[in-house]
Amino acid sequence: GAVVSQHPSWVICKSGTSVKIECRSLDFQATTMFWYRQFPKQSLMLMATSNEGSKATYEQGVEKDKFLINHASLTLSTLTVTSAHPEDSSFYICSARVPIGGGSGYTFGSGTRLTVV
Amino acid sequence: QKEVEQDPGPLSVPEGAIVSLNCTYSNSAFQYFMWYRQYSRKGPELLMYTYSSGNKEDGRFTAQVDKSSKYISLFIRDSQPSDSATYLCAMRDNQGGKLIFGQGTELSVKP
Repeated sequence: GAVVSQHPSWVICKSGTSVKIECRSLDFQATTMFWYRQFPKQSLMLMATSNEGSKATYEQGVEKDKFLINHASLTLSTLTVTSAHPEDSSFYICSARVPIGGGSGYTFGSGTRLTVV
Repeated sequence: QKEVEQDPGPLSVPEGAIVSLNCTYSNSAFQYFMWYRQYSRKGPELLMYTYSSGNKEDGRFTAQVDKSSKYISLFIRDSQPSDSATYLCAMRDNQGGKLIFGQGTELSVKP
């Protein structure tokens, strides 16, 4: 259980275009989703936290107008990279908080590899 | 100083070896500790989850948390080539805040 489905798994786009990445919780309701960015051989860097029905909270240094996050339902959050540039090429991963044994854990999507050419 | 420090490796061991992976942290408010395994070009998958101090065992994996030393460990017994991956420690405080990740340790288990 507690599966997050992320699409697409990879995408190539031209510089200046926009790309949308979707994350869906398949068997649970995700009130909170997290979006991460990961460069090769580096750790996950949190970009923003999205709560269903409200505005996302962005981490310091993340451009909210460039990385648009929408969490309009309890099962879907989207990240749109607007006016993409080559430096936006990275691995983007979403995550949702799920209950585990009375506490809570986090389950991750399979990631999206974005290449901007 | 980073909040969570993890030796990036790479770490190479022969099949069957015991592997020890470690993280140190600086924030005493962290209460939840997790270990994730990440295969290349995939999202992380949860291996172990521990609340506060103590040990937890699941098959070949054992997680240890020593809050007094701000030190957590993951042990893998009888390591297999399929264990080859990057292992990330992660932790958060009791307020339900964001996960803070270590850099990840790249492990290679040679047949």
